[in-house]
Amino acid sequence: GAVVSQHPSRVICKSGTSVKIECRSLDFQATTMFWYRQFPKQSLMLMATSNEGSKATYEQGVEKDKFLINHASLTLSTLTVTSAHPEDSSFYICSARGLADGVTSDTQYFGPGTRLTVL
Amino acid sequence: RKEVEQDPGPFNVPEGATVAFNCTYSNSASQSFFWYRQDCRKEPKLLMSVYSSGNEDGRFTAQLNRASQYISLLIRDSKLSDSATYLCVVNDYKLSFGAGTTVTVRA
Repeated sequence: GAVVSQHPSRVICKSGTSVKIECRSLDFQATTMFWYRQFPKQSLMLMATSNEGSKATYEQGVEKDKFLINHASLTLSTLTVTSAHPEDSSFYICSARGLADGVTSDTQYFGPGTRLTVL
Repeated sequence: RKEVEQDPGPFNVPEGATVAFNCTYSNSASQSFFWYRQDCRKEPKLLMSVYSSGNEDGRFTAQLNRASQYISLLIRDSKLSDSATYLCVVNDYKLSFGAGTTVTVRA
C-alpha cells in the first residue's frame, strides 16, 4: 500500500514554543491530507482537511490560528502548533488520499503519528 | 449522541477463542464503514471494509445491520497477535472514528 511518513515521531517542548510536524506521501500524490488528534483512550478526532494549494478546512472547535496547516505540494503538508501549552499534548496523526497509478483513490493512508508532549 | 460508539472493553480472551463486538452509528444515511486496528502508540491500520452483505477475511467477519444501525466484528480462533484496539469507522464526508474496543488475547 501507499506510504505516508511523519516527522518528528516524538517531540517534547516547553510551553509557549511552536512545533512543526511534517507529513509526506512517499509514493503517491496526496491531493488531500487530513490531520487528526488523539488523546489517551479516546477516538481520533479530525482537526482539519487540506487540499493541495488551498486553505485548510477546520473542524468546529479547532482554532485555525493556533494550528497552522500548509499543504503547498502534492507530497507535503505541515501542521504547526503555535504557542503550545500542556493541554496540546497529544498524538497527532496525518493521513493522505490522492492519486495512485493515475487513479483517484478514496482510501486514506495514515502516517505513523507524532507524539507531542508540552511541558 | 456520539456519531460512532463502541464498547471500550477490554475483552480478555484465551487463544483460540471467538470474540465479537459491535459498534453503533448515529447517521442513518451512512453508507461506508470500516474496521481499523490500532496497536498501542501506533497509527490505525485498515483491517477491513464492511459491506452490506457482510464480509469475511480469514478469521475476521464483519457484518452491517442497517435497521439497527450497527456493525460488528467477529474474530475466530484468536491469536496473541490479535491483541489490539479495534476502531469502528464511518465514512460520510469525513472519517468518524469510534474510541475503540480493546481486545487482549492471552496464552
